[in-house]
Amino acid sequence: ETGVTQTPRHLVMGMTNKKSLKCEQHLGHNAMYWYKQSAKKPLELMFVYSLEERVENNSVPSRFSPECPNSSHLFLHLHTLQPEDSALYLCASSQDRVLAGGNEQFFGPGTRLTVL
Amino acid sequence: AQKITQTQPGMFVQEKEAVTLDCTYDTSDQSYGLFWYKQPSSGEMIFLIYQGSYDEQNATEGRYSLNFQKARKSANLVISASQLGDSAMYFCAMRLLSNSNSGYALNFGKGTSLLVTP
Repeated sequence: ETGVTQTPRHLVMGMTNKKSLKCEQHLGHNAMYWYKQSAKKPLELMFVYSLEERVENNSVPSRFSPECPNSSHLFLHLHTLQPEDSALYLCASSQDRVLAGGNEQFFGPGTRLTVL
Repeated sequence: AQKITQTQPGMFVQEKEAVTLDCTYDTSDQSYGLFWYKQPSSGEMIFLIYQGSYDEQNATEGRYSLNFQKARKSANLVISASQLGDSAMYFCAMRLLSNSNSGYALNFGKGTSLLVTP
């Protein structure tokens, strides 16, 4: 596997379910990100991990819980979601060199989540 | 807060023609990076091109070039010789290049949907 992978690609869940999204990067990066993409809205940054430490949390509801066990893996644990949480959830990774210029983020294919 | 504006919700271009996708940004910081991403219907965001605020020359990557006008705070993407496979959503994004935690976030515009016709 190369690049950034995400599983599952599609997920349908009820509001009382608990599920987890998984992201894995094979690029040797040390920063990982969760984004939410809703219809007709810009991508919203949810969480940032750098060197396995959470460095940014953009006021995300507690029903979303991230976990970064190592620099290659990132999870997003979901529980008691609402229908408005239905969206495409994108994972990304980058090299954590804030001052080094480009430092582009590489994205996975996303998980299309539908909450019923 | 930084703001990215893409004023064209949709664009059409004929195959083999060039097209310009507009992007303006708003920041009071002097050090920042500008990115363009392509998102096909499959969902994956594909990095296309990067421009640093201190770069004196416009960035180019193959058929992609970035028309960077710092005084106007614009960073338009130019795609030359359009191909059918270029049909996708295109997002402009900006990140502050500061030594702080806020420097991680990419701020995205709402995107422009490009359709390349035969």
